[in-house]
Amino acid sequence: DQQVKQNSPSLSVQEGRISILNCDYTNSMFDYFLWYKKYPAEGPTFLISISSIKDKNEDGRFTVFLNKSAKHLSLHIVPSQPGDSAVYFCAAYPNFGNEKLTFGTGTRLTIIP
Amino acid sequence: DTGVSQNPRHKITKRGQNVTFRCDPISEHNRLYWYRQTLGQGPEFLTYFQNEAQLEKSRLLSDRFSAERPKGSFSTLEIQRTEQGDSAMYLCASRPRQGEKVLDEQYFGPGTRLTVT
Repeated sequence: DQQVKQNSPSLSVQEGRISILNCDYTNSMFDYFLWYKKYPAEGPTFLISISSIKDKNEDGRFTVFLNKSAKHLSLHIVPSQPGDSAVYFCAAYPNFGNEKLTFGTGTRLTIIP
Repeated sequence: DTGVSQNPRHKITKRGQNVTFRCDPISEHNRLYWYRQTLGQGPEFLTYFQNEAQLEKSRLLSDRFSAERPKGSFSTLEIQRTEQGDSAMYLCASRPRQGEKVLDEQYFGPGTRLTVT
């Protein structure tokens, strides 16, 4: 049972445009959401997070939006740069203080110069 | 380099052999995690340590898998009698002692890629 879903396996975006990566979840107990970025042959690197008490969090070119009623979050990257080409994973912590991260299947983002 | 390190980076073994992987977390992090990632999937949680205590284990961690963190610093993950289905990337992550920021990110190492032939 995939509790965190990323339905787009891949996405291509022109350099300088906005990249929008989507994530849906089914477990209403998820409390805290994170986006990780992964380059080949490296481990995932934390990008940005959002608590369930917020609907938006911004950090430079990266903004995460959370729609709790729809159980949906999205990551916006603007402007997109070639170095943003990577696999992006959505992840969630269930419940307050829980240790286990549940990951989605990832979206491969390719930025076209 | 003060990040999470994992050794070896790659391991090829024959079915039925035992393998052991090592993870060295960030030095001030008392919480350590193991995940497994197969092709086309995200990382899946295997087990969690706080200091030397193993506090949570996934159903994915069969009897052939054992993890230790004897002195609360580095950790090892051993797989006995490997099977082809064990082929995956094994990722280790660490996290600082729980403080004011209760929910925070985990820091991942580069992983050990296991291939069972």
